[in-house]
Order: sequence, then C-alpha cells, then structure tokens
Amino acid sequence: NAGVMQNPRHLVRRRGQEARLRCSPMKGHSHVYWYRQLPEEGLKFMVYLQKENIIDESGMPKERFSAEFPKEGPSILRIQQVVRGDSAAYFCASSTPASNEKLFFGSGTQLSVL
Amino acid sequence: GESVGLHLPTLSVQEGDNSIINCAYSNSASDYFIWYKQESGKGPQFIIDIRSNMDKRQGQRVTVLLNKTVKHLSLQIAATQPGDSAVYFCAENILRDFGNEKLTFGTGTRLTIIP
Repeated sequence: NAGVMQNPRHLVRRRGQEARLRCSPMKGHSHVYWYRQLPEEGLKFMVYLQKENIIDESGMPKERFSAEFPKEGPSILRIQQVVRGDSAAYFCASSTPASNEKLFFGSGTQLSVL
Repeated sequence: GESVGLHLPTLSVQEGDNSIINCAYSNSASDYFIWYKQESGKGPQFIIDIRSNMDKRQGQRVTVLLNKTVKHLSLQIAATQPGDSAVYFCAENILRDFGNEKLTFGTGTRLTIIP
C-alpha cells in the first residue's frame, strides 16, 4: 500500500556494518509492525510498536536487532554488525488503534549483505 | 510450533478459469484469517478476510471459505485475469481487544495465469 512508506527500497551492506531501515506509517496510524521475508517464504513477525513503546518483540533476534517508534519521525529497525543471514526483505505494516483493523504493508526494504 | 501451511506451492490456471488456493492452519485458537496477494517487488496487499464465526465470505471475484472442523482455508478467484498472477499468502491471527498483531503467514502459493 502506497500509504506506508519504507526507505530505502534497497540497502547493501558489508558484513559487520549497521543497517537502518525506516518506516513511516499511514496517516493516522499509530501502530507499526515489522516483518521479515526470506526468498520463497512467508513473512515472519518481528516486532509490534506503538508510539514510544515496544508492545511485542517476541519475533526479534535477541542480539543485534532493535526497533523504535519515536514520538516524532519514522519507525526505525536497526541491525548492528550485519551478517549474510540478515539478507532478506523487511516489511513494515501499520494499523489504527481500533480493534480488528487490517494491516497495510509498505513495499519493503531489500537488505543485501555482502 | 504453531504454523500455517499451504498444500501447493505453485498453481497455473488458464485465463478466464477459476482458481482455488488452499491453506491449512494448525492453531485452533485462531479466529481471524486473511488472504494477501504479493506481486514481485511489492508488499502484501490485503484481499479478503474472514472471522471464525463465518464459513464463507465473498468479495469482488474472490471468495474465502473457512472449515474450522479440519482447520482449512481456501481462496477462490473467479474468471482469472493476467493481473491475478502473484504469490498468495494466507495468514491467521487471534483477535485481541486492541490492535491486530502477530499475523502468522503461510509459505505462499505462486499463481500463474496462462494467457
């Protein structure tokens, strides 16, 4: 959905570098979700955030990965010291605070680790 | 662990024919199901959803069927068009009071429409 903006679309990093992926939710949406997709696989939940709060990070690797959704600005998914296994498409989705609202996904960031 | 799986990874259908994509889920607590369409290089696009208190829901050219007894979900696309070629994912969730979180996605079925 064009309303959820992710950038960059493509990100190339060398092993050991940091990757920062940004997501601006749709206007009026205060809930953000990050998913990871490996080639030929479904999306895997990583983390669910509301403004300034991490609600559920049960899908996040314990090390090197972090996410934030500040009061102002986009949500950031940060991967430190990237390894080749981090190469994947990372999708952000947003929704409203109302219950039962469907998720709207962005076009994703394709991370390639050399 | 809990998972959502699909029976067929690929499906080819003649343009104009109907297609059926199947999905099995294993979490009996799931009460909300969604079908997404993902075209190459794009994010998943919502197609249709269904709650567990229903067994059928229709949209424009699409119908979702839910069989809770055997934990099976299907997506029917009528009169397929070339633009229907994509990967289709089913996803499941347990609705909570607030928000819609932690969708569990299946692996996906690649649908190819043959002109």
